[in-house]
Amino acid sequence: KNQVEQSPQSLIILEGKNCTLQCNYTVSPFSNLRWYKQDTGRGPVSLTIMTFSENTKSNGRYTATLDADTKQSSLHITASQLSDSASYICVVSPDNSGGYQKVTFGTGTKLQVIP
Amino acid sequence: GAGVSQSPSNKVTEKGKDVELRCDPISGHTALYWYRQSLGQGLEFLIYFQGNSAPDKSGLPSDRFSAERTGGSVSTLTIQRTQQEDSAVYLCASSRGGQGRQPQHFGDGTRLSIL
Repeated sequence: KNQVEQSPQSLIILEGKNCTLQCNYTVSPFSNLRWYKQDTGRGPVSLTIMTFSENTKSNGRYTATLDADTKQSSLHITASQLSDSASYICVVSPDNSGGYQKVTFGTGTKLQVIP
Repeated sequence: GAGVSQSPSNKVTEKGKDVELRCDPISGHTALYWYRQSLGQGLEFLIYFQGNSAPDKSGLPSDRFSAERTGGSVSTLTIQRTQQEDSAVYLCASSRGGQGRQPQHFGDGTRLSIL
């Protein structure tokens, strides 16, 4: 069964500090991995996408890494801001060579940045 | 607007009533998804549309739930004889294709409360 596990479940950090969120998956074969940010009361918004051959992808202060061998990804947030407070969701897409396949969502990490 | 639009944004209804939730996807997006997100939980897949057909209905929790999509655009999710456990945020997403290579663009959801 395809699974995506995220850790920690929740995290509180001081404004200006860095943090790293983890995602482990069992989806195989694997096509791509995406990180979403979900603000409270809003829908998720895509931050980064990485395919099998990519190791790192940045989007401003967000940097995602991928190790396809160990099936692990991380999202590193640099110099956190209050607006980074949100849930971060890891989403893995299986290989779609056979057409449509359902993506698998992690349960998310709830990040709170405090002044 | 250019994003996915969902209505109503909030719905409060009595147990046993029927409710209809609407999703307007991004123009040109052939794939449309419905998800359910309970408080503090991850996204639960409900149904996937490619055009007007629904090749994957595997997530619908019971026969009280149904969805349709007309004209390859607007979709409605109907819940009949609502129960308290149906209370959740119902999110709609659309993408250019259904194979996972394109990001899913989410609406802000309909928050459904069953009294």
